Amino acid sequence: AQKVTQAQTEISVVEKEDVTLDCVYETRDTTYYLFWYKQPPSGELVFLIRRNSFDEQNEISGRYSWNFQKSTSSFNFTITASQVVDSAVYFCALSEAGNQGGKLIFGQGTELSVKP
Amino acid sequence: EPEVTQTPSHQVTQMGQEVILRCVPISNHLYFYWYRQILGQKVEFLVSFYNNEISEKSEIFDDQFSVERPDGSNFTLKIRSTKLEDSAMYFCASSDLAGLNEQYFGPGTRLTVT
Repeated sequence: AQKVTQAQTEISVVEKEDVTLDCVYETRDTTYYLFWYKQPPSGELVFLIRRNSFDEQNEISGRYSWNFQKSTSSFNFTITASQVVDSAVYFCALSEAGNQGGKLIFGQGTELSVKP
Repeated sequence: EPEVTQTPSHQVTQMGQEVILRCVPISNHLYFYWYRQILGQKVEFLVSFYNNEISEKSEIFDDQFSVERPDGSNFTLKIRSTKLEDSAMYFCASSDLAGLNEQYFGPGTRLTVT
């Protein structure tokens, strides 16, 4: 069965701290796709990154970096030098290639609060 | 930059009434989705739609729900007889390749059933 677990419900940090958001997934498919979305207080869902199961290379985009480890079924997200504007709910999501419809299975989300 | 649009942004309705939520996906996308998010909870899949038919639907998407692509641009979600528990944010999303590429989400319609 497919499942995404974000064990951290809420994280609070002070500006400029580094913070890592954890994501653990379960799937029986050998080909799958992992995503991170950001939901700021305004409510929209903003795509951040997609990673396919064959690409374990870590990725860095500015202050954001992602660590994908198939051995532990994890796809963690790190924000370096956090800023107040990073305050949002962050969702990790999974899509299985065997699912022709391409639905996303979301985790529960981690609410990040960055205080000045 | 192309974006998914949704109307209305907020809909208030009485229990038992029918509502239609509207979405305009990104124009060259082929896969369309509806998700819902009850306040403070995770985003849940409702239905996927491709080639004018439903690809998959969740347990939430019962006989009270239907989707339609009435023309080349709109994608609608109808709830036939709303219940209090249908109160949620409803997101429309579209993608050019199912699962392979990211889904782009609209801003959502907040449905309040009283």
